Amino acid sequence: GDSVTQMEGPVTLSEEAFLTINCTYTATGYPSLFWYVQYPGEGLQLLLKATKADDKGSNKGFEATYRKETTSFHLEKGSVQVSDSAVYFCALYTGGFKTIFGAGTRLFVKA
Amino acid sequence: NAGVTQTPKFRVLKTGQSMTLLCAQDMNHEYMYWYRQDPGMGLRLIHYSVGEGTTAKGEVPDGYNVSRLKKQNFLLGLESAAPSQTSVYFCASTTGSGYEQYFGPGTRLTVT
Repeated sequence: GDSVTQMEGPVTLSEEAFLTINCTYTATGYPSLFWYVQYPGEGLQLLLKATKADDKGSNKGFEATYRKETTSFHLEKGSVQVSDSAVYFCALYTGGFKTIFGAGTRLFVKA
Repeated sequence: NAGVTQTPKFRVLKTGQSMTLLCAQDMNHEYMYWYRQDPGMGLRLIHYSVGEGTTAKGEVPDGYNVSRLKKQNFLLGLESAAPSQTSVYFCASTTGSGYEQYFGPGTRLTVT
């Protein structure tokens, strides 16, 4: 069945470091792909999305490119801040009524 | 515009007790969802609703019941709580399949 696999965390970085969080997927058809972020004590909120191959989603300095050939949607940011500390979820939608979420990757950014 | 709200924020139950979690949204969304979040397992869908008066099972529905009597509200019930239901519960809503989901702040439930 359809699934999402994220790199295990936690990921610990110093401020201004480069961030990559890997996400790969298995899906039939042509899914839409999402990254959600969960700040401490809050619910998830959409960070960015891409709906077709080669699309790049971007928001708040984060980017992810929908790569159909490698079935990947890796999240990147050039210079992280302490305020980026959160849990990041990759998700996919292939049809029907459900969105499938990955297990989440916790990011700690040190000052 | 409050978005998605959840009541209560925290709750401790004894095994066998019952309770109802309330989710309310003011965005006129058709679809609503209940998830549970457990360490290392991400979000798992419990039940969902595609409109007022409709409900359907997700991937982990056992031990839970739901109702959607009004479009803006989605209730999650635990009839006889078990320690395995200790979790953080999130409600979400959306305008339709595949669109952005809007999440509530969560309810942390502990069953002893």
